[in-house]
Amino acid sequence: EVQLVESGGDLVQPGGSLRLSCAASGFTFSSHDMHWVRQATGKGLEWVSAISTGGDTYYAGSVKGRFTISRENAKNSLYLQMNSLRAGDTAVYYCARVFLSGLDLWGRGTLVTVSS
Amino acid sequence: EIVLTQSPGTLSLSPGERATLSCRASQSVASRRLAWYQQRPGQAPRLLIYGASTRAPGIPDRFSGSGSGTDFTLIISRLEPEDFGVYYCQQYGTSPSLTFGGGTKVEIK
Repeated sequence: EVQLVESGGDLVQPGGSLRLSCAASGFTFSSHDMHWVRQATGKGLEWVSAISTGGDTYYAGSVKGRFTISRENAKNSLYLQMNSLRAGDTAVYYCARVFLSGLDLWGRGTLVTVSS
Repeated sequence: EIVLTQSPGTLSLSPGERATLSCRASQSVASRRLAWYQQRPGQAPRLLIYGASTRAPGIPDRFSGSGSGTDFTLIISRLEPEDFGVYYCQQYGTSPSLTFGGGTKVEIK
């Protein structure tokens, strides 16, 4: 089955760290650029980060310097290392696959809550 | 940075009616870089349209996209019960960052 499954979301204190994972299956993971998109409860979609097939990385200004995206093609996995977490980072985090100019495959998301 | 403004914020319609959703960009967007998504409550977004007007695989033909430059439109020709939810437009930048509009909620009247 073609799917993406996120994991690693948790409750973390402000200033803490968390590593999200996204496991891909059913398609050639290494052939696709990948993105992380987040959504706070009741709010819209916010782009977080992207990584190309060649490993080039891109970040939203709000997370640059705090978050690191990476991929491990041999394990069909995408990661998001999140440091110096803030209350404003609280959201469901989705990983998604690029298809031309859109994201055609999304995971179900993993919830990150930053609170003391 | 390109800002996408969607209108209306909420659309209250009955099944069978036509829905017209607007997405306006603060600067010109290449048509091939404009996409639309549907998000039902509790679910991840689903790609409906890419390249401004091309339906994604498996998307019914009652969904159509059009537009160019700064004005884009998503039309649902006859609303089905499963079409109610929130719709987002998205622009794929050159960096390659993404920008999403604020969303239009299509609710049952």
